[in-house]
Amino acid sequence: GIQVEQSPPDLILQEGANSTLRCNFSDSVNNLQWFHQNPWGQLINLFYIPSGTKQNGRLSATTVATERYSLLYISSSQTTDSGVYFCAVVASGTYKYIFGTGTRLKVLA
Amino acid sequence: EPEVTQTPSHQVTQMGQEVILRCVPISNHLYFYWYRQILGQKVEFLVSFYNNEISEKSEIFDDQFSVERPDGSNFTLKIRSTKLEDSAMYFCASKRQGGETEAFFGQGTRLTVV
Repeated sequence: GIQVEQSPPDLILQEGANSTLRCNFSDSVNNLQWFHQNPWGQLINLFYIPSGTKQNGRLSATTVATERYSLLYISSSQTTDSGVYFCAVVASGTYKYIFGTGTRLKVLA
Repeated sequence: EPEVTQTPSHQVTQMGQEVILRCVPISNHLYFYWYRQILGQKVEFLVSFYNNEISEKSEIFDDQFSVERPDGSNFTLKIRSTKLEDSAMYFCASKRQGGETEAFFGQGTRLTVV
């Protein structure tokens, strides 16, 4: 089955810093979403982005499906950005999401 | 904005007991899913459901698990005889259609088996 790897696995930032999280996948995909898992365990949908670029405030994401990766950019990070970030993909010909390994982000005040 | 609702948010149960986790998907959605996340691990697919039947299930989804859409609005996950290793966060998700559409996830039910 499709493999979804995220890097880096852990990231510590000072408040105000920028960061780039990466999601690599091993096969062609129909769908891709980025999620933030907050300290209460809830999955917050950040972007639905099977291709192209989207921006929402301080966050933006880019998916290059032909090269099998997606990037999540966080600018001017805040302590509330802390948590685990997951990408999830749907491999072509299937209907279920496969989640990546996650990036654990800690933003220090 | 429509959302997927899960109840309860947290359930504690004795080993060997049956539990039912409940989900109300978004009303015009046709595809439904359950996922599981053991503490500190990644989110794993359990089962997908379409047209009143299971369309796909993972190796985790053994005979102890079942799903049902009893009344056209709720979507439930039943664990027949819980084990300690069933302790996890369970997420329900729904999609309007099977192709290139966004999945909406509920806030999760944290199941603790003692």
